[in-house]
Amino acid sequence: EDQVTQSPEALRLQEGESSSLNCSYTVSGLRGLFWYRQDPGKGPEFLFTLYSAGEEKEKERLKATLTKKESFLHITAPKPEDSATYLCAVRQTSGNTPLVFGKGTRLSVIA
Amino acid sequence: GAVVSQHPSRVICKSGTSVKIECRSLDFQATTMFWYRQFPKQSLMLMATSNEGSKATYEQGVEKDKFLINHASLTLSTLTVTSAHPEDSSFYICSVGLAGNEQFFGPGTRLTVL
Repeated sequence: EDQVTQSPEALRLQEGESSSLNCSYTVSGLRGLFWYRQDPGKGPEFLFTLYSAGEEKEKERLKATLTKKESFLHITAPKPEDSATYLCAVRQTSGNTPLVFGKGTRLSVIA
Repeated sequence: GAVVSQHPSRVICKSGTSVKIECRSLDFQATTMFWYRQFPKQSLMLMATSNEGSKATYEQGVEKDKFLINHASLTLSTLTVTSAHPEDSSFYICSVGLAGNEQFFGPGTRLTVL
């Protein structure tokens, strides 16, 4: 059973059309939920870490929120350069431990 | 955040040969590095945890004799794919963690085995 599920699998938006990406998780004892951006052929680029329900973080047109069961990545007035795959990952145990990733949402923003 | 490099960025080899991939932490001394593999349109899957000065810890289903990991210094971990076969073709990515918080990833290495 997948521990991290992202939806939708792919999303196509017009420039300026705001939307949200979803990441639901089933792990207990969450030790951090992470959002990354990945461009084709590149490694993931860190965006946000969230630790507790109710926490929110923002960076430019992106805002990440967290509840006890899911996280949302809100994209406000997206631009074509926001096109990428957005990955969600969780850490289940404390310390310098690996992340469990979802399959990602492929976002395309059309001018 | 940590700056992580990988070399080479892409490699093409014949079936049966071995390929070494380097992962360097350029501005941070990393006692632990992680190796992930990503197939097309799939998520990152953890292969192994590389520990400086000791043996790597492999995930279930990852052959330790096929994917040799050496973490000889605090800034360098290497992954050697021995006797590579076409099914080993994938995108290999390493990461460095900062004190149990964020992980920062290298740019990845695209391996194609003919």
